[in-house]
Amino acid sequence: RKEVEQDPGPFNVPEGATVAFNCTYSNSASQSFFWYRQDCRKEPKLLMSVYSSGNEDGRFTAQLNRASQYISLLIRDSKLSDSATYLCVASGAGSYQLTFGKGTKLSVIP
Amino acid sequence: DADVTQTPRNRITKTGKRIMLECSQTKGHDRMYWYRQDPGLGLRLIYYSFDVKDINKGEISDGYSVSRQAQAKFSLSLESAIPNQTALYFCATSDLSLSGPGSSMIDEQFFGPGTRLTVL
Repeated sequence: RKEVEQDPGPFNVPEGATVAFNCTYSNSASQSFFWYRQDCRKEPKLLMSVYSSGNEDGRFTAQLNRASQYISLLIRDSKLSDSATYLCVASGAGSYQLTFGKGTKLSVIP
Repeated sequence: DADVTQTPRNRITKTGKRIMLECSQTKGHDRMYWYRQDPGLGLRLIYYSFDVKDINKGEISDGYSVSRQAQAKFSLSLESAIPNQTALYFCATSDLSLSGPGSSMIDEQFFGPGTRLTVL
């Protein structure tokens, strides 16, 4: 039973498009949520934390719905440099032991 | 210099050989982790350590062992490597910090560059 599920994609979008990724988690006791970005053959890097009130960082907006156990990431005005795999992450009950989704691959095309 | 380093970066070995992967960090974090990543399976936790005297098994610890030699060093060993241990291995570090609305405690993990291991 995979605890964090996300659409593997790939999502192929033109530059300037808006794209949304969705993710569900099964552990209702999860305390912390994140989106990580992973470039090909590189290490994952934190993109943003996800809070119940939602948070925005430039072109990126993350939302959390605890009742539905659902997390989303919205990327506006996509850039070629946004091409990567985006990993949805939920913590365990103790705020550690992160569980990673398998990732959603995004390709932004000219 | 990178905050989290891993050695070696690439390794090819044969079935039955003992392999050690090393991780060092300069972030001063107490928590360290070892993950493996396989195509289609995502990142899976092998072992984690919250301080020098603390070692915990993760989701897939069978066939692996670890040693926390110091706060800054956490090594992963494969006592007798087998082909299905071929994977990309990541070390990570973290420390609890306050962040976000209401100052939630979060545990952001910082990853090393990875070690690509091939077992023939």
